[in-house]
This record gives sequence, structure tokens and C-alpha cells, in this order.
Amino acid sequence: DAGVIQSPRHEVTEMGQEVTLRCKPISGHNSLFWYRQTMMRGLELLIYFNNNVPIDDSGMPEDRFSAKMPNASFSTLKIQPSEPRDSAVYFCASSLSGGPVPGFGQGTRLTVV
Amino acid sequence: DQQVKQNSPSLSVQEGRISILNCDYTNSMFDYFLWYKKYPAEGPTFLISISSIKDKNEDGRFTVFLNKSAKHLSLHIVPSQPGDSAVYFCAAKSQTGANNLFFGTGTRLTVIP
Repeated sequence: DAGVIQSPRHEVTEMGQEVTLRCKPISGHNSLFWYRQTMMRGLELLIYFNNNVPIDDSGMPEDRFSAKMPNASFSTLKIQPSEPRDSAVYFCASSLSGGPVPGFGQGTRLTVV
Repeated sequence: DQQVKQNSPSLSVQEGRISILNCDYTNSMFDYFLWYKKYPAEGPTFLISISSIKDKNEDGRFTVFLNKSAKHLSLHIVPSQPGDSAVYFCAAKSQTGANNLFFGTGTRLTVIP
């Protein structure tokens, strides 16, 4: 079984540029989560979708961040414009709705210079 | 506000001894708790969980204890092995509420051979 697949694994970009992170959830899972890992806050939830619909985006830090899930097998997290403080590892996770254990992707390490 | 707290950023233990990782939570609606393990450059992987109807769950060398009155849980690893060296995240959710997990900031465990 393929796990959650994220791309790219690493992204280095200049401040002000647009960044798009991609996620393919585990087949059959209908909940999808975007997390950001930082030293200060650990794993913080940015947004989660249920059946492709955004349910809670209260963790999205600013309007510069947006997320979409056009279908059950694909989601994107976009940052426009990017800033150095956005540098972090971004994880995507998926689960069955009501299932308690999300599986995580390997993450995208974003560096904004 | 961190609803799940791991107050020890790091822990070092000799191989063969017991490792005890601690976690506190503030939200009394949380009724399901998980531990994830994370190696560098990888996503978190599920390790063990416990429902609030139990106070202990054991899986091989790993045992999670839950003290609901103190809003505290702990992960015991015995005997500790060098391969256990990783960052451990505590997470919590409400099974009747939103489907998202709230994570702590993680504890880096180092098992010394």
C-alpha cells in the first residue's frame, strides 16, 4: 500500500515567490490534513479537509496561505508570497473519517531565503 | 495555545533501561491519545494509542499510561534500544468532535549504547 505521497521533498525559494506543495493521500482515505512542524510549536494543524471540503482552516497563519483539494486523491498548499518565516517542514496526513490514526507523508522541507 | 504539552524537549537513556516520556493536555474533551515516532527526514509514524476508557495500553516494549484526572499521559519504553532514538510526539483528539489531532512539541529521545 502506498502511503501519503508529498512533493517536492525539498523546496528552496526566494522571498516573495509563490510556493506550491502537493499531497496525494492514501487511497480510500477521506480526511486530509496539512501540518507544519516548527521547533517552537511542534506539529501544528494548518487545515483539514473531509470529503474534499475544508472543515477547519483556523490554523492557516495568514491570507498568504491557501489550500485546495480538487478531488479525493490530490491536495495543494500554496504560499504566495513566501517569507523567510515560512521556512519549516510541511506534512500532509490522511485518514478515514472517524478513523483515529492519520498516516503521514514524508514532508516537504521548505526554505525561503 | 498549546492544548497538548511535552515539557521535556529531550531525554537521554542508557540502552536496556526504561525511557519515560511525558505529556500533559488541557482540553477535557480529548478522549483519544496517540504517540507518534519520528526519525529525521521522515514523517511521523504511529506508535501506540489509548482511549480514555482505559488507563493503560501495552504493545510489546511500549506501554502508554493515562491519568485522566491529572490530564497526563506517559509512554514507557522498556528495555530501551538504540533504534528507539527519535523524536516522540504526543497527540490527542476528541472522537466526537472534529477529526483533527492536536500535537505536542515533541521529545527527542536518545538511547545511548
